[in-house]
Amino acid sequence: DTGVSQDPRHKITKRGQNVTFRCDPISEHNRLYWYRQTLGQGPEFLTYFQNEAQLEKSRLLSDRFSAERPKGSFSTLEIQRTEQGDSAMYLCASRRGGSLLAGGLETQYFGPGTRLLVL
Amino acid sequence: SQQGEEDPQALSIQEGENATMNCSYKTSINNLQWYRQNSGRGLVHLILIRSNEREKHSGRLRVTLDTSKKSSSLLITASRAADTASYFCATAPYTGGFKTIFGAGTRLFVKA
Repeated sequence: DTGVSQDPRHKITKRGQNVTFRCDPISEHNRLYWYRQTLGQGPEFLTYFQNEAQLEKSRLLSDRFSAERPKGSFSTLEIQRTEQGDSAMYLCASRRGGSLLAGGLETQYFGPGTRLLVL
Repeated sequence: SQQGEEDPQALSIQEGENATMNCSYKTSINNLQWYRQNSGRGLVHLILIRSNEREKHSGRLRVTLDTSKKSSSLLITASRAADTASYFCATAPYTGGFKTIFGAGTRLFVKA
């Protein structure tokens, strides 16, 4: 257990429905990431928060995806009008702050993921 | 694809043997990390190597980095059945931004 929790762990939904996932990072971590991982592939970056500010979004993140981190603590990822291609594992990770000048890649602590299946 | 390349895609060895996995990336980096993922679980950080380092050890793990070739390798010595997992390298582009790029991973299977 890394200290990062995600809820739910599994979600089955029908195409066209909306789903929302929650991530609770390690409390002293002000940086938070969302990733999507499909079977046999590595995680693909979706978005990044520093405190409550969403500082980067992947081009993979279509308009149907939205993420928030309202108080700089937990974060939510919502997918509207789900499609079968959205079926994947959605991973959240958090880390401490790092120097922006250095690129800031420090250890990320991952949650267990939410596995989404869209029927 | 935004991902780097890892080689081999899959590796099957006997317990006690060494396992070597390679990772190539595309952009200049500040540092590179290796993560492990057990089936259906989240990723666990193994080791970080900075761009000015060439080799780093942690227990049975040895990581090398060749920035001129944009490649890294992870060596697991004296493998155990419990090492069975997928292994990923991760980089952040030096050009800034906050994106982390993971490779497609090497699936290691250690037979008891």
